[in-house]
Amino acid sequence: DTAVSQTPKYLVTQMGNDKSIKCEQNLGHDTMYWYKQDSKKFLKIMFSYNNKELIINETVPNRFSPKSPDKAHLNLHINSLELGDSAVYFCASNYAGELFFGEGSRLTVL
Amino acid sequence: KNQVEQSPQSLIILEGKNCTLQCNYTVSPFSNLRWYKQDTGRGPVSLTIMTFSENTKSNGRYTATLDADTKQSSLHITASQLSDSASYICVVSAGYTGNQFYFGTGTSLTVIP
Repeated sequence: DTAVSQTPKYLVTQMGNDKSIKCEQNLGHDTMYWYKQDSKKFLKIMFSYNNKELIINETVPNRFSPKSPDKAHLNLHINSLELGDSAVYFCASNYAGELFFGEGSRLTVL
Repeated sequence: KNQVEQSPQSLIILEGKNCTLQCNYTVSPFSNLRWYKQDTGRGPVSLTIMTFSENTKSNGRYTATLDADTKQSSLHITASQLSDSASYICVVSAGYTGNQFYFGTGTSLTVIP
């Protein structure tokens, strides 16, 4: 069973479109994150939720809106996509200081 | 400023050889340090955790060290295999709960036959 699962794995879309990435974890962890990994492979925190509540909101354009319907799910909606949004987005959960990552969602904006 | 720096940025070695990856950090208050392995197209997976009081820890062919005084850690890979080809990311946890994470830029390791 996949512990942290993201869908879709690949997403190719045109500039200006709106898209969502979904994340689910079956580990029972309270804290979930969204990270963006750029072409240089650096992982940058975007958002963190603890038990459905937003606790970290880094300097991210407000076109990005996370939503956590329950503590097992953390979705990421992106409005008006731009070329610079192309990256791999990772969902993760945290238990005792260890991060458990999903497989990533590669977003390509054309 | 809390920072984590890794070196080298990339490394190519022959199968069977050993290598050492470095991580320097200026994170405070320090909670722990983890090395993650990220295979191509996959998410990072934790290899080992180092707490303040630990100097060395092994996980199979991987051995991590920590010098809390100089704020340096290393990951030594022995008898490398093709499957070791990956990015290795050093992540330092800060804060009293250890839930603030600072990421290094990673080392890309390529093992060639």
